Amino acid sequence: NAGVTQTPKFRVLKTGQSMTLLCAQDMNHEYMYWYRQDPGMGLRLIHYSVGEGTTAKGEVPDGYNVSRLKKQNFLLGLESAAPSQTSVYFCASSYSIFGSPKRPEQYFGPGTRLTVT
Amino acid sequence: GENVEQHPSTLSVQEGDSAVIKCTYSDSASNYFPWYKQELGKGPQLIIDIRSNVGEKKDQRIAVTLNKTAKHFSLHITETQPEDSAVYFCAASSGAGSYQLTFGKGTKLSVIP
Repeated sequence: NAGVTQTPKFRVLKTGQSMTLLCAQDMNHEYMYWYRQDPGMGLRLIHYSVGEGTTAKGEVPDGYNVSRLKKQNFLLGLESAAPSQTSVYFCASSYSIFGSPKRPEQYFGPGTRLTVT
Repeated sequence: GENVEQHPSTLSVQEGDSAVIKCTYSDSASNYFPWYKQELGKGPQLIIDIRSNVGEKKDQRIAVTLNKTAKHFSLHITETQPEDSAVYFCAASSGAGSYQLTFGKGTKLSVIP
């Protein structure tokens, strides 16, 4: 049981390049999330998904797109990278949502450190 | 939307002492409050959580208290050990049926041997 895995671990992009970050979970969780973490800013939600084939915007969605074609995978895309997108990106998944009496806790992956020059 | 404030931003304690981290939130509809520990180079890991219908929860050396009236919650770590050194984040859900967590900006805890 690997939990939440992220690929790649590190990446350097030039301004204007594109890339896709892959998140995979093997816990059969319905809900998946993408966060970015910047120094002194905590974690901020980019996009999330409430099930296969669904996506929704979070707090800071501009410049990113996501897809959830399979329940276990959640992809984050940067179409035209900008230096402001230099950050550490974390994927998370959860069994249920926060109003549910069932396990709402989010499990995080190890992160992807992205630098845009 | 929800706003979560976390204090202090850094905290140094002697090994064996207690550490307390405090958070306030703005949305009275928030009903779930987790605490995460993040070690260097790793993803956040849940250490304890509390729901709005509970005032206190304890798990060995870690406890969380919640004051719904004042809209603040706190993490208490007793008998601190060097391996407790990490960044701790509080978070609050954005109300009933919400899918979103709003995080505090983190507290860097250093336990001095």
